[in-house]
Amino acid sequence: NAGVTQTPKFQVLKTGQSMTLQCAQDMNHEYMSWYRQDPGMGLRLIHYSVGAGITDQGEVPNGYNVSRSTTEDFPLRLLSAAPSQTSVYFCASSYIGALNIQYFGAGTRLSVL
Amino acid sequence: TQLLEQSPQFLSIQEGENLTVYCNSSSVFSSLQWYRQEPGEGPVLLVTVVTGGEVKKLKRLTFQFGDARKDSSLHITAAQPGDTGLYLCARDSGSARQLTFGSGTQLTVLP
Repeated sequence: NAGVTQTPKFQVLKTGQSMTLQCAQDMNHEYMSWYRQDPGMGLRLIHYSVGAGITDQGEVPNGYNVSRSTTEDFPLRLLSAAPSQTSVYFCASSYIGALNIQYFGAGTRLSVL
Repeated sequence: TQLLEQSPQFLSIQEGENLTVYCNSSSVFSSLQWYRQEPGEGPVLLVTVVTGGEVKKLKRLTFQFGDARKDSSLHITAAQPGDTGLYLCARDSGSARQLTFGSGTQLTVLP
């Protein structure tokens, strides 16, 4: 099973450039989310979605947009990249059950110069 | 924001030693998850604890949920190099299935 697939694995951007981080899951999970991971700060929630057509902001949403047109896909868009967005980005999905077990992709390592 | 404090932040031990890492909060939580993350990979769930005082074992790993449901610990017996990784605890933080993560304990087990 593929699980949660993220692309690309690595990306280098210049300040002001835009890009989209892709995330796809094949487990028919309703819930999908994006986190960023910075040294010493754990994982912080950027945006999440409880189903197709429904998205909401997490703890650190500024500078990022999301959309959820299908159950499978949940892309994260950086409209104008800034050095502060240098981080490792993880997409996760889960079945909306009692225990909220999240399945993570392998991450996208982004550097903004 | 309901914070989760993990300690220690870094831990380096020799193969065969025992260790305990901690996850603490100032507020009660309904359930807590422990994840392990290896370099270049996403976190993978190890266990979920739900009931105050609950103890769960996963081979050489023992997870305990505090009686007051404000803290949890992970004890590893006879650590092996394959246990090396970042150990993260996480709790449900709202009605929309959000998880709040601690900052993690980076464990290195030396052969």
